[in-house]
Amino acid sequence: AQKVTQAQTEISVVEKEDVTLDCVYETRDTTYYLFWYKQPPSGELVFLIRRNSFDEQNEISGRYSWNFQKSTSSFNFTITASQVVDSAVYFCALSEATPTSGTYKYIFGTGTRLKVLA
Amino acid sequence: DTEVTQTPKHLVMGMTNKKSLKCEQHMGHRAMYWYKQKAKKPPELMFVYSYEKLSINESVPSRFSPECPNSSLLNLHLHALQPEDSALYLCASSQETIAGPLNIQYFGAGTRLSVL
Repeated sequence: AQKVTQAQTEISVVEKEDVTLDCVYETRDTTYYLFWYKQPPSGELVFLIRRNSFDEQNEISGRYSWNFQKSTSSFNFTITASQVVDSAVYFCALSEATPTSGTYKYIFGTGTRLKVLA
Repeated sequence: DTEVTQTPKHLVMGMTNKKSLKCEQHMGHRAMYWYKQKAKKPPELMFVYSYEKLSINESVPSRFSPECPNSSLLNLHLHALQPEDSALYLCASSQETIAGPLNIQYFGAGTRLSVL
């Protein structure tokens, strides 16, 4: 079965520290997509990045970077020089097709709560 | 503009009440989703509409009744809920579901529901 594991339940760091959030996935598909979302206390899930299974290039966006490694089925997320505003729950998700309808849905990890202390 | 608007933001209802949650998007997306999220848990998919037709129902109890009157609007009608139904209800939309796994879902801020 397809699965996403975020083993870190909660991480606390001091502002300006770098922090890496881990995501490990399991899938039988050869083509698949992985996503990261941020959920601040306001509740809205904010899309951060989408990565397809054929693109193993690392991605950097400002202070955010992502490391995708198919060999270890991991898609890790690093925040450089963390800030208090980065405090949120971060979810990793895998897109999966439902057998009956062919519609795709997300398989979410359990999330990692990041607390950045001033 | 990637905006999904949900109303109301907060809702308190009794177990005998009937209420509705509303979700609206104007991005031209043809797929819309309802999720339920309990505290410290990931969102759980409830329903998916694709081109205004119900595509997925994740075995949700009949006291939750979804409706998609048009491509921009998604409602969730609530009736005879239980206290354990108290949660954050999130709506999302994506361009379409047919395109496959690459679709990005855009979420609203949710409705925090309390059932007394």
